[in-house]
Amino acid sequence: RKEVEQDPGPFNVPEGATVAFNCTYSNSASQSFFWYRQDCRKEPKLLMSVYSSGNEDGRFTAQLNRASQYISLLIRDSKLSDSATYLCVVNGWGGSQGNLIFGKGTKLSVKP
Amino acid sequence: GAGVSQSPSNKVTEKGKDVELRCDPISGHTALYWYRQRLGQGLEFLIYFQGNSAPDKSGLPSDRFSAERTGESVSTLTIQRTQQEDSAVYLCASSQRGDSLETQYFGPGTRLLVL
Repeated sequence: RKEVEQDPGPFNVPEGATVAFNCTYSNSASQSFFWYRQDCRKEPKLLMSVYSSGNEDGRFTAQLNRASQYISLLIRDSKLSDSATYLCVVNGWGGSQGNLIFGKGTKLSVKP
Repeated sequence: GAGVSQSPSNKVTEKGKDVELRCDPISGHTALYWYRQRLGQGLEFLIYFQGNSAPDKSGLPSDRFSAERTGESVSTLTIQRTQQEDSAVYLCASSQRGDSLETQYFGPGTRLLVL
């Protein structure tokens, strides 16, 4: 089983749509969860951390379900500028808790 | 302030040659990470430096790969006897303490092409 799994997409949605991405992780010892965004041929940048209680940042809502080892990202009122690859990220485990384990990403394309 | 910088931005080399990639982390960041991203693939952890602790080398794919870091500053990733499968973007990131809750800040990457 892969450590962090995501649907690669692409998700093609019109402007204004609501879109949701899901992610599962394999190790129940993971403590930290993030969504990073990566634009084409650019480096990843943190979009938001994911907290146990769920958290919201403007149009973006992230949720964590530890029992199911599942993370989600909801984007409301999609903008053209939201087009990117969204990376689900969890921290490493064992002796490598500082490093991050990245999913392969879900590609989002928002169309006019 | 300045972000993470990497050099060169692009590198083309011939199979069998050695290459050295450089990363300058954000000043004051004690943790530094190297990742590899092959075309169309996710990021793959390579190595992690945290202060004066022994580096976590668990992600290095073979003994042709090595990395060093001078104190809490510059790091170099060296690939010896490059192979075509080494072609990828090599990304460096840094964080303030190496805490698992922290944001990692990425450099722009070095695009390596092995012919």
